Amino acid sequence: DAGVIQSPRHEVTEMGQEVTLRCKPISGHNSLFWYRQTMMRGLELLIYFNNNVPIDDSGMPEDRFSAKMPNASFSTLKIQPSEPRDSAVYFCASSLKSSTGELFFGEGSRLTVL
Amino acid sequence: GDSVTQMEGPVTLSEEAFLTINCTYTATGYPSLFWYVQYPGEGLQLLLKATKADDKGSNKGFEATYRKETTSFHLEKGSVQVSDSAVYFCALGTGGFKTIFGAGTRLFVKA
Repeated sequence: DAGVIQSPRHEVTEMGQEVTLRCKPISGHNSLFWYRQTMMRGLELLIYFNNNVPIDDSGMPEDRFSAKMPNASFSTLKIQPSEPRDSAVYFCASSLKSSTGELFFGEGSRLTVL
Repeated sequence: GDSVTQMEGPVTLSEEAFLTINCTYTATGYPSLFWYVQYPGEGLQLLLKATKADDKGSNKGFEATYRKETTSFHLEKGSVQVSDSAVYFCALGTGGFKTIFGAGTRLFVKA
C-alpha cells in the first residue's frame, strides 16, 4: 500500500517567492496534519484537517502561510512570500479517525529559502 | 495542559548495550502513548504504542510499558545495533485528533 506522498522532496527558492508543498494522504484516512521540523523548535503542528475541513490552524505561524484540502486525497501548504526563517522540513501526516495519535508520516519536503 | 517530557540527547552507546530513553507525560483523562522513530532523511514512523495503563507495547526488540502511577512510558531495548541510530519521539494522543510530541532524543550507536 502506498504511504503518505509528499512533493517536492527538496525545494530551494529565493526570499519573496511563493512556495507550494503538496501531500497525498493514505487512502481512507480522514485526518491530515502538516508539521514543521527545525533544529531549534523541533516538531511543530501547523494545521490539521478532519474530513477535509480545517479544525485547528493555531500553529500556522503567520498570514504568509495557508493550507487547503480540496478533497480527501490532496492537500497543499503554501507560503507567500517566503522568508529565510521558513527554511525547515515540512511533514504531512494522515490518520484514521479511530486511531487518535497514530500518525503516518510522509518523507517530508526540505525547504531552503535563500 | 497536556505535555510530554523526554530525556535530552544525544545518547551514545556501543553496539549490544542496553538502551533506556525516559519519557514522562502530563495529561487529563486516559491518553494513548506512542514511540515514534525517525531515521536520517525520513519521516517519523510509529515504533510502538500502548492504549491503557499497564499495557506493554513492543516492536523490533523495543519495549515500553504504560505506567499510570508514575506517568511514564520509558523506551527500552536489551541490545542495540548500529541500525538503531535515529531520533526517538515519545508522544501522547489526547483525543480530538491531536498528538503531543516530545522534543526527541537522538541515539548514536557505535560499532
